[in-house]
Amino acid sequence: DTAVSQTPKYLVTQMGNDKSIKCEQNLGHDTMYWYKQDSKKFLKIMFSYNNKELIINETVPNRFSPKSPDKAHLNLHINSLELGDSAVYFCASSQGNDLHFGNGTRLTVT
Amino acid sequence: DAKTTQPTSMDCAEGRAANLPCNHSTISGNEYVYWYRQIHSQGPQYIIHGLKNNETNEMASLIITEDRKSSTLILPHATLRDTAVYYCIVRVRDNYGQNFVFGPGTRLSVLP
Repeated sequence: DTAVSQTPKYLVTQMGNDKSIKCEQNLGHDTMYWYKQDSKKFLKIMFSYNNKELIINETVPNRFSPKSPDKAHLNLHINSLELGDSAVYFCASSQGNDLHFGNGTRLTVT
Repeated sequence: DAKTTQPTSMDCAEGRAANLPCNHSTISGNEYVYWYRQIHSQGPQYIIHGLKNNETNEMASLIITEDRKSSTLILPHATLRDTAVYYCIVRVRDNYGQNFVFGPGTRLSVLP
């Protein structure tokens, strides 16, 4: 009965590949997010998605695209992976107040 | 959103109170103070939030100064499992959460 779950937990892939990370929340929240935590441990917001409205952090490359099939899911698609994309990616959800995070997906691009 | 300043790291003896300070001198009247923590290899976890009154829950207490320019998170009886990075965030509450901006936080080490 995990509130926010992400799959896979680990993802190792080569440069140039396309990959997806899935996220599901069972909290009934209206807003979902993707955060990136780099090697320096800074957590930076990438996207927030609320009722089909997508807000994108302007620093995120357009190789990254969120897809929301329904309110409980926000998947992250990454095209043409680069070495610099290696990081831990966290999904989160909220209902206006507290953020609830998943346990992250560690992406390693070789 | 207002920026926050926290010490880079702190140590605390197991069983003692851990007091984690946060400065937010440019906080606006409608901005709340939130605290999260991130235990190694996990996603950040909500701890507590407040506007101007002191708050307490089962995890911690939040003390906000009268001028609201600083606050202190208190873990009353720290355990080894409280070792984590603690983030202080100030933000206006809205439905989008774009203003949940995480700084570097304070790395708290609880020592046996």
